[in-house]
Amino acid sequence: GAGVSQSPSNKVTEKGKDVELRCDPISGHTALYWYRQRLGQGLEFLIYFQGNSAPDKSGLPSDRFSAERTGESVSTLTIQRTQQEDSAVYLCASSSLTTPYEQYFGPGTRLTVT
Amino acid sequence: TQLLEQSPQFLSIQEGENLTVYCNSSSVFSSLQWYRQEPGEGPVLLVTVVTGGEVKKLKRLTFQFGDARKDSSLHITAAQPGDTGLYLCAGLNEKLTFGTGTRLTIIP
Repeated sequence: GAGVSQSPSNKVTEKGKDVELRCDPISGHTALYWYRQRLGQGLEFLIYFQGNSAPDKSGLPSDRFSAERTGESVSTLTIQRTQQEDSAVYLCASSSLTTPYEQYFGPGTRLTVT
Repeated sequence: TQLLEQSPQFLSIQEGENLTVYCNSSSVFSSLQWYRQEPGEGPVLLVTVVTGGEVKKLKRLTFQFGDARKDSSLHITAAQPGDTGLYLCAGLNEKLTFGTGTRLTIIP
């Protein structure tokens, strides 16, 4: 079946502009995660959605970052007033209720802020 | 803060050699995962180890969870160019905490 998809694959934006990144999880997966990966580094947790529960936003680095998810479908990560330090690959992952920690990752969106 | 340090950060070896990479923490984890990430792609889960001292084998890859569940190692036998990638460990308690990664290059 289809895996996790993300769009766009690449995004170049000017400092100060807002960007929206999209994630389509695997159908039926109740959990959805956003991570940030700076060049050559590990993954930094941003936010976690589980079904209709309140999201875990504990990893969001500032109030310029927000994310939404409608039910168990698409999620959008929004970064307002982008800064150069926001440049990174943003990865989305989803998992099922029965195996919540077997995360399936999308290919990521590479964000470059100029 | 639960930190996972991986070593070495970079490793470049010849095809056919053996290697071991390490994942260390001062925190105890209920389980630990290893992922491999290739350029332009997301990480792919290789294995989950749950019990202290547990050893799992996946073809030429051997994963071990430390007895105290604070550390783990990944050993690759007879490395091949297809093993090239970024290897990430991730410790699980309430959520997954990812390590800093080891970038492995196998030279043909």
